[in-house]
Amino acid sequence: KQEVTQIPAALSVPEGENLVLNCSFTDSAIYNLQWFRQDPGKGLTSLLLIQSSQREQTSGRLNASLDKSSGRSTLYIAASQPGDSATYLCAVKRDNYGQNFVFGPGTRLSVLP
Amino acid sequence: EAQVTQNPRYLITVTGKKLTVTCSQNMNHEYMSWYRQDPGLGLRQIYYSMNVEVTDKGDVPEGYKVSRKEKRNFPLILESPSPNQTSLYFCATSKVVGTGNSPLHFGNGTRLTVT
Repeated sequence: KQEVTQIPAALSVPEGENLVLNCSFTDSAIYNLQWFRQDPGKGLTSLLLIQSSQREQTSGRLNASLDKSSGRSTLYIAASQPGDSATYLCAVKRDNYGQNFVFGPGTRLSVLP
Repeated sequence: EAQVTQNPRYLITVTGKKLTVTCSQNMNHEYMSWYRQDPGLGLRQIYYSMNVEVTDKGDVPEGYKVSRKEKRNFPLILESPSPNQTSLYFCATSKVVGTGNSPLHFGNGTRLTVT
């Protein structure tokens, strides 16, 4: 059974720092991996999607990498800003039928001005 | 504007009183799904639908029903709610193309409290 974990559970950094969030999954047979952002009281917003054949994806200050063989993905945020404060979740697509994902518990990020 | 709309946003009800949470999308997506989010347990899938009249159980379907009579709507029905169904519920949709490498789009959530 696929399990997804995220470390750390919470992270507090000063504005301007570069930071890395980690996501680990137990079964390397995934179809893709998505990183989401969740603001308090809101739904999830998709940030990046990495297909199983890809190694990384970039969007603005965000860069996500995928290492299937080791069961790991990282989300790199460059030059963090207070507006980046949110919970970040990773999710792996567990089969080739539909869009069924297994979610990690999330990392709660606070960027201090 | 592309939207996934859930209603209501907040709902307080009593044990046993049937309720429906609605989800509607305007993106012509084939795939729709319901998740619940609980502290310490993360997001868990309740039911999903690949297209009209096609629904399947997720990881935690007990106590819930769904229907998909139209492409845009995917209501979640609690026939006899119980306190352990107190949770934050999310509807998610996606276009299904090829192997399904499409992002999920989420609604803003429905916070349900069952007393």
